[in-house]
Amino acid sequence: SQELEQSPQSLIVQEGKNLTINCTSSKTLYGLYWYKQKYGEGLIFLMMLQKGGEEKSHEKITAKLDEKKQQSSLHITASQPSHAGIYLCGASNAGNMLTFGGGTRLMVKP
Amino acid sequence: GAVVSQHPSRVICKSGTSVKIECRSLDFQATTMFWYRQFPKQSLMLMATSNEGSKATYEQGVEKDKFLINHASLTLSTLTVTSAHPEDSSFYICSADGAGVGEQYFGPGTRLTVT
Repeated sequence: SQELEQSPQSLIVQEGKNLTINCTSSKTLYGLYWYKQKYGEGLIFLMMLQKGGEEKSHEKITAKLDEKKQQSSLHITASQPSHAGIYLCGASNAGNMLTFGGGTRLMVKP
Repeated sequence: GAVVSQHPSRVICKSGTSVKIECRSLDFQATTMFWYRQFPKQSLMLMATSNEGSKATYEQGVEKDKFLINHASLTLSTLTVTSAHPEDSSFYICSADGAGVGEQYFGPGTRLTVT
């Protein structure tokens, strides 16, 4: 089965600082998803990556999928308190089932 | 955009009772829905895959007789936690399969507390 490892597990940054979250897969990724979750709430879809080398951006968040399609990174530029939450990467298989990484808890200090 | 709702959002029940959680796709039909469970400070774990008109497929370690799943229509799947115990207290999230490959839409989640 596919396993996803996220790092770091938790992160505290000062407002305005940049940060990067990594997601490493034990197998080749065919679809990699990034979600954000506020504590105790549902998931907010951020981005989906499918092609090796692909990079997508939304506002101040950029996600990349490496050429070998086994690692993805999520980069936040000039972090704000609104970026705080849990970031989850997920990988899909042929049956559309998602496997999730352990999550990264982000706190942004004002 | 595709919207998935869950009801209730929060529920507190006594140990030994059963609780039903509904997952609805509001503006699209979903032949497949997924149920996830999330314990505090942990990631989401897939419990089962629910297919309309057929039996659900449960992940290893998930008791099918305890977590009853019914997917009677293309817009509704229900998860019933039977004979609930305090250790069943968790955050349950459903998702519905969209038309695209790997496309899933998540519900807002249901927080279950068993006292």
